[in-house]
Amino acid sequence: AQSVAQPEDQVNVAEGNPLTVKCTYSVSGNPYLFWYVQYPNRGLQFLLKYITGDNLVKGSYGFEAEFNKSQTSFHLKKPSALVSDSALYFCAVRDDNQGGKLIFGQGTELSVKP
Amino acid sequence: DAGVIQSPRHEVTEMGQEVTLRCKPISGHDYLFWYRQTMMRGLELLIYFNNNVPIDDSGMPEDRFSAKMPNASFSTLKIQPSEPRDSAVYFCASSRRTLAGEQFFGPGTRLTVL
Repeated sequence: AQSVAQPEDQVNVAEGNPLTVKCTYSVSGNPYLFWYVQYPNRGLQFLLKYITGDNLVKGSYGFEAEFNKSQTSFHLKKPSALVSDSALYFCAVRDDNQGGKLIFGQGTELSVKP
Repeated sequence: DAGVIQSPRHEVTEMGQEVTLRCKPISGHDYLFWYRQTMMRGLELLIYFNNNVPIDDSGMPEDRFSAKMPNASFSTLKIQPSEPRDSAVYFCASSRRTLAGEQFFGPGTRLTVL
């Protein structure tokens, strides 16, 4: 069965430093991977996705993610964090057994301090 | 496009009352999802529809919960009778098969059952 894991409940970063939010996946076929962000009192917003092609995927707000097949990882990265990046981040994988369904991780709370 | 629309945004009710949450998906999207988010349990998929037909309702907590999609532009999630443990934020999301699974979330309904 498809699944994703986000090993860190919380990540703390100083403003201006690079950030990484980790995600590992387990799938039976080719993975369709996603990152979403949730700001306080808002719905989830799509950041980026990997379907095929370049292992480095660029998304919204300066975020990017690196697909690593050998390590079954899809870590979210940003070269220079902003205080406004503080939010809850979800990794997700498409469930190939059920068409449009996404399997979400438990979420990682990112806190960027000035 | 207005995005996914949910109503009401906030609902406060008393235990035992019926609650109806509403969702209008993005026009042209053929999948609709209902999620529940709590601090304790995180983000849970309750049910999803494809072309107005319920595909997977295994996440619906119990018989007190029901969902319908009478047409492509409207869905309801009903709780009858409501209980305090149903207090949560309920999200509706929609997607289109050609988007490889990318989902668009509504702003959510914050339900409080007293």
